[in-house]
Amino acid sequence: GAVVSQHPSRVICKSGTSVKIECRSLDFQATTMFWYRQFPKQSLMLMATSNEGSKATYEQGVEKDKFLINHASLTLSTLTVTSAHPEDSSFYICSARGPMLAKNIQYFGAGTRLSVL
Amino acid sequence: AQRVTQPEKLLSVFKGAPVELKCNYSYSGSPELFWYVQYSRQRLQLLLRHISRESIKGFTADLNKGETSFHLKKPFAQEEDSAMYYCALGQAGANNLFFGTGTRLTVIP
Repeated sequence: GAVVSQHPSRVICKSGTSVKIECRSLDFQATTMFWYRQFPKQSLMLMATSNEGSKATYEQGVEKDKFLINHASLTLSTLTVTSAHPEDSSFYICSARGPMLAKNIQYFGAGTRLSVL
Repeated sequence: AQRVTQPEKLLSVFKGAPVELKCNYSYSGSPELFWYVQYSRQRLQLLLRHISRESIKGFTADLNKGETSFHLKKPFAQEEDSAMYYCALGQAGANNLFFGTGTRLTVIP
């Protein structure tokens, strides 16, 4: 149980285009999902916390107009990188925490590698 | 402020040798500590958490509030233990986790 699916696994796009990444909890309802960014050989950096039915909470330094998060249902959160630029190239990882699971345990997606040309 | 420190980026041990991955944290409240593991080409997954006080795949970790540490230990390392290990801190009443920078463990056959 507690499977999180993230799609796509890899995306290459041109500078200036927008990219949407989906994060789905397949076998449980996730009231809270998280979006992380991971640079090569570095740790996961929390970008934002996505709560179902409400606005996402962004970490300091993360542009909310650049990284749009929508958590419209209990099983789906999306991250849209708007007007992507080469410096947005990174590995983006989502995770989910459900109300019935042990407190603070997060279940992770496999990640999305974004390359902006 | 919350902080998780994993002083070793890389750690190599021989198969059968004991292994200890260090984790220190800084947090003024009551912490909840986790170890997550990422095997090659796999997603990050929970290995163990301090409140469970259990042994998973032979690994144990004890929360030492006096030393603010949560070191991960295994008495006899196996080749399949080679992976990236992240220590994470959860705050009471909050949802998010703070991750350390990770330690890449290599078990030499």
